[in-house]
Amino acid sequence: QVHLVESGGGVVQPGGSLKLSCAASGFTFNIYGMHWVRQAPGKGLEWVAYIQYDGNIKSYADSVKGRFTISRDNSKNTLYLQMNSLRVEDTAVYYCAKVVNGTPPRPFEYWGQGTLVTVSS
Amino acid sequence: EIVMTQSPATLSVSPGERATLSCRASQSISTNLAWYQQKPGQAPGLLIYDASTRATGIPARFSGSGSGTEFTLTISSLQSEDFAVYYCQQYNNWLWTFGQGTKVEIK
Repeated sequence: QVHLVESGGGVVQPGGSLKLSCAASGFTFNIYGMHWVRQAPGKGLEWVAYIQYDGNIKSYADSVKGRFTISRDNSKNTLYLQMNSLRVEDTAVYYCAKVVNGTPPRPFEYWGQGTLVTVSS
Repeated sequence: EIVMTQSPATLSVSPGERATLSCRASQSISTNLAWYQQKPGQAPGLLIYDASTRATGIPARFSGSGSGTEFTLTISSLQSEDFAVYYCQQYNNWLWTFGQGTKVEIK
């Protein structure tokens, strides 16, 4: 059974940094692309970043490009999101998601339960 | 960026009735379209991908159709557990985008 567990959320001041983690289990992590998606309170879904199974291809939403970095450690079955220069508008629940099998780009088959990031002074 | 527009924003339906949700892409995305369901306090769940393929475990009352720029999610007979927010998403390029969502509420 696929299991994705995010951690690392919390309260941070504007301009600060935070690193999120997503621990994966129940599937062969090193053959699937992974994503981060966020949802501001009471709002819709916003795709944040993608990383290919081997880490060689990464893609970012314009809203986070240059500030966020997606990475993965296949030896630890873990996905990361390093968030720098955080803004109030980055406040959201952050989800990690595993892609549907197949030639990328693919949609999101499984999601974690999310971790809340609050950017506030 | 491909913009996804969903309509209506809110759909009021009685249990047992049919619900039809629409999603439009700002440019052609072939059939690279998925639908997700999200209930309050929960993560989204995949319903449909490749415009018309049901995800694992999704009941047959959910169906998807369309290609190019116009897509539809149909729920043939609404059950109590189907009242939720539904999002469409395109994955035609390497910048995934979601629609703003349609809330299906009890009439």
